[in-house]
Amino acid sequence: DTAVSQTPKYLVTQMGNDKSIKCEQNLGHDTMYWYKQDSKKFLKIMFSYNNKELIINETVPNRFSPKSPDKAHLNLHINSLELGDSAVYFCASSQPSTQKGGGLANRSYEQYFGPGTRLTVT
Amino acid sequence: AQSVAQPEDQVNVAEGNPLTVKCTYSVSGNPYLFWYVQYPNRGLQFLLKYITGDNLVKGSYGFEAEFNKSQTSFHLKKPSALVSDSALYFCAVRPFSFYGNNRLAFGKGNQVVVIP
Repeated sequence: DTAVSQTPKYLVTQMGNDKSIKCEQNLGHDTMYWYKQDSKKFLKIMFSYNNKELIINETVPNRFSPKSPDKAHLNLHINSLELGDSAVYFCASSQPSTQKGGGLANRSYEQYFGPGTRLTVT
Repeated sequence: AQSVAQPEDQVNVAEGNPLTVKCTYSVSGNPYLFWYVQYPNRGLQFLLKYITGDNLVKGSYGFEAEFNKSQTSFHLKKPSALVSDSALYFCAVRPFSFYGNNRLAFGKGNQVVVIP
């Protein structure tokens, strides 16, 4: 009954390689996120999708490309990996915070996080 | 842009004593405030949130937090700490927005160590 799952849990690879991390949520949420947590535990948002539409795209190198085949999945593909990409990557999901025209307006839903993928680039 | 300050790097407390983890925020307009906990090698777990209403919010595992608008603070508290509460605690904020996204700004985290 895992809510937000990520694969793989650990990923060790060499510089220059291309790798993907997969994320799936079974909570029925419309919004999904990718976060990067560095060695000092700072947590920074990278991307967010709402119902397969990109809504947050922080200043992230374009070597990082998210893909959302459906609203339950948000995958992260990384090209030409660099040493500085070593970190723990977290996927998260939530209900959307607002809806135009009312309805869910003014609510803010908590995010549910996956267990993380520890990426080590050598 | 919104931001969160968690001034202490580590909070040490004896088991059974009250635990407080401090958080102050900066945001345009009214804030939505959250606390998350991260155990070693795990993802973040939601503890509690303040949206509106009572300033004292109760959450999971006996934690509570008090919203203080004049001091722009949202300190996390637990009356009696357990060794199992030892973890990394994150405060997060986003502004009220009718049309917007759920972009959270996280603090740097506070390591809590509960001493048996």
